[in-house]
Amino acid sequence: AQSVTQLGSHVSVSEGALVLLRCNYSSSVPPYLFWYVQYPNQGLQLLLKYTSAATLVKGINDFEAEFKKSETSFHLTKPSAHMSDAAEYFCAVSDLNFGNEKLTFGTGTRLTIIP
Amino acid sequence: DTAVSQTPKYLVTQMGNDKSIKCEQNLGHDTMYWYKQDSKKFLKIMFSYNNKELIINETVPNRFSPKSPDKAHLNLHINSLELGDSAVYFCASSPSGTRDTGELFFGEGSRLTVL
Repeated sequence: AQSVTQLGSHVSVSEGALVLLRCNYSSSVPPYLFWYVQYPNQGLQLLLKYTSAATLVKGINDFEAEFKKSETSFHLTKPSAHMSDAAEYFCAVSDLNFGNEKLTFGTGTRLTIIP
Repeated sequence: DTAVSQTPKYLVTQMGNDKSIKCEQNLGHDTMYWYKQDSKKFLKIMFSYNNKELIINETVPNRFSPKSPDKAHLNLHINSLELGDSAVYFCASSPSGTRDTGELFFGEGSRLTVL
């Protein structure tokens, strides 16, 4: 079964600094991978997704992620953190086995921005 | 127009009561889901329906009964509520077939508090 592991349940960065949130996946087939963001008291919003096209994926709010098959990683980055980026971030992998289609989420990383 | 809408957004009730959460999507998707998010923000799938047919039932107690009257609606009924049922319940939908990458479109969540 597909799974993802997010390294670091809490990450703090200074405003203007690089954001790096780590995600490693395990999949028996070429995966579809996603990053979702959850702002306080809100639902989950798609940031970006990898669906076997370009390995460098750009998303909303200047976030991007790079699919690295050799490292089984899909880390999320942003060059310069903004206060509004404070949120919970979830990496997810898609399981499209017929009759069992679902997204499996990592345990989440809480991003705190230090003024 | 809200794509995936859930009601109620907040629900506070006593142990032993029965309650329902409703979900509707206007995206024309074939598949709908219920996810549970616990106090540690962990997201776990509970059920999925495809065109009104139950596809996934992830070892959820039978006090939880989903119902899909049509492919645009998926409701969740919970009998004999327990303290451990306190969580945020998210409804989500996805297209199916060749369009499907597994991407989910989420509602804003229904926060259930059992006292």
